[in-house]
Amino acid sequence: DAMVIQNPRYQVTQFGKPVTLSCSQTLNHNVMYWYQQKSSQAPKLLFHYYDKDFNNEADTPDNFQSRRPNTSFCFLDIRSPGLGDAAMYLCATSRMTGGRTEAFFGQGTRLTVV
Amino acid sequence: QKEVEQNSGPLSVPEGAIASLNCTYSDRGSQSFFWYRQYSGKSPELIMFIYSNGDKEDGRFTAQLNKASQYVSLLIRDSQPSDSATYLCAVKESGGGADGLTFGKGTHLIIQP
Repeated sequence: DAMVIQNPRYQVTQFGKPVTLSCSQTLNHNVMYWYQQKSSQAPKLLFHYYDKDFNNEADTPDNFQSRRPNTSFCFLDIRSPGLGDAAMYLCATSRMTGGRTEAFFGQGTRLTVV
Repeated sequence: QKEVEQNSGPLSVPEGAIASLNCTYSDRGSQSFFWYRQYSGKSPELIMFIYSNGDKEDGRFTAQLNKASQYVSLLIRDSQPSDSATYLCAVKESGGGADGLTFGKGTHLIIQP
């Protein structure tokens, strides 16, 4: 089935050690988003790609970066994870055609920082 | 600062009854509105979307939108224990743009057998 796949499902990293989370999609959607969701909080948009155009939210820390090498893949890089970066990271995709802009989420990566 | 407000609950509803979930949003220019269901430890799953004022029905779910009051609601008829989850209201500024969603914190719904 066409879907949004995030790897890994669970990631444990050391304080300050760079970590990369990945997202792939078979929906051929041209927009890919990264959200951060902390416990009992709302998902918070970090940034998104519209095709190759990168759009960063104003309050996203510089510690968070993203790459989209092609339509199917998008990566979230955390350069120096802190304890406060422990969260569920959600990738979502959306198709910008026909006025339909619903976003579909992957299963998420739960990041633990030790 | 765009805000989406939801009562965090828990909202407890007997099985078979109607569950009513409410959401208000601050950005009057918002064009697109979504309801997501999120089970504990899982990712959000799209339940309904609505773009125009009025009601939109899909099976047991009805979304209601009132842009003048900046209010969105979700009704779940014939509630089942499997409907127990957190329901996230999400709002998008544009009707067809690539901007992301602003989420509320969600309402925790419990369906009592």
